[in-house]
Amino acid sequence: QSALTQPPSASGSLGQSVTISCTGTSSDVGNYNYVSWYQQHPDKAPKLMIYEVSKRPSGVPDRFSGSKSGNTASLTVSGLQAEDEAEYYCSSYGGSNNFGVFGGGTKLTVL
Amino acid sequence: QVQLQESGPGLVKPSETLSLTCAVSDYSITSGYYWGWIRQPPGKGLEWVGTIYHGGSTYYNPSLKSRVTISLATSKNQFSLKLSSVTAADTAVYYCARHSPRGAFDIWGQGTMVTVSS
Repeated sequence: QSALTQPPSASGSLGQSVTISCTGTSSDVGNYNYVSWYQQHPDKAPKLMIYEVSKRPSGVPDRFSGSKSGNTASLTVSGLQAEDEAEYYCSSYGGSNNFGVFGGGTKLTVL
Repeated sequence: QVQLQESGPGLVKPSETLSLTCAVSDYSITSGYYWGWIRQPPGKGLEWVGTIYHGGSTYYNPSLKSRVTISLATSKNQFSLKLSSVTAADTAVYYCARHSPRGAFDIWGQGTMVTVSS
């Protein structure tokens, strides 16, 4: 059982938007603005897409955005493209030098 | 461009110690950042294993703490992972990654598959 809860799957049509949720507790997501999101294509290493809730690393399209409310963080992908089809993982700093509390992953399908 | 590359045996026997190394290129690991290990069992999600700070301090996942050791090899610009008393549950792809002080893993190695089997 993962520490953060994500829906196992999500889907959206080309060009549409989809939002993936990530629910933690007041000990992790709710207590720190240190939520990250990762994209993982099959047999590839994860790629950082969002950090500190809503910041995008250089090179990540602005179609990807993040937010947080209480114990739940969200990743929104706008203007869905075929290459966005992948597994998405959230993670949060968990305090006391616990650097990686991960979610179970959400498989995003682009229809 | 900073790159990380894992290496080590792909097969380890039950009860033995898993040993992996992460070679870092184009950045000195003593200059800053945190350096971590994350694993992913086949078909499952990501699990943080542990981290070492460039100064040598270590931090481990509480569920693995009794079996994990992470160390630096500064002369080789590498860091390593040792996981003792392995079982089949430790079978996974093991990634090394660089991360920020609050856990944003920004650069990852390609990963190496380790199977625990006799």
